[in-house]
Amino acid sequence: KAGVTQTPRYLIKTRGQQVTLSCSPISGHRSVSWYQQTPGQGLQFLFEYFSETQRNKGNFPGRFSGRQFSNSRSEMNVSTLELGDSALYLCASSPGYGNYGYTFGSGTRLTVV
Amino acid sequence: TQLLEQSPQFLSIQEGENLTVYCNSSSVFSSLQWYRQEPGEGPVLLVTVVTGGEVKKLKRLTFQFGDARKDSSLHITAAQPGDTGLYLCAGGHNYGQNFVFGPGTRLSVLP
Repeated sequence: KAGVTQTPRYLIKTRGQQVTLSCSPISGHRSVSWYQQTPGQGLQFLFEYFSETQRNKGNFPGRFSGRQFSNSRSEMNVSTLELGDSALYLCASSPGYGNYGYTFGSGTRLTVV
Repeated sequence: TQLLEQSPQFLSIQEGENLTVYCNSSSVFSSLQWYRQEPGEGPVLLVTVVTGGEVKKLKRLTFQFGDARKDSSLHITAAQPGDTGLYLCAGGHNYGQNFVFGPGTRLSVLP
């Protein structure tokens, strides 16, 4: 069973640019959650998509957005990048119901210069 | 906002020692999970506990969910260098709500 695939693994962008990250969940999983991980703040919840609908949203500015496609693949977009957006962005896949845990991807390491 | 606290923040021990790390909250959770994360990788799920007082064992790791479902502990027996990593707890509420993660305990097991 293939795991969660995140692309790209590493990304370097300049302040003011925008970026799109991709996540392919485990086959059959309908929920995709996105987290930002930094040394100072730990894992911070961005948003969750379930069956193409945003089901939950964290406390991040509107520059952070996402979407989910009919095949459950998800993308997140960050516009007008700031230095503070440098982080490891993790995608987590789950069936979307019950107490099943997350299966995380390896993440995308974003560096904003 | 439901917050999870973890202690200790850092722990460095010798191979063969035992250790316990803690996860605490003022909120009641319907389930609690433990993950281990290694550098450059995403967290990997170790266990899910759902019943107050529940104890689960995974080889040398023992997980306990508090009776009131507000706290949990992870005990490692005879730690090995391969146990090194960031241990995260995550609390979940009802169906359809996202999990909240604690800040983690960074464990280093020295050979």
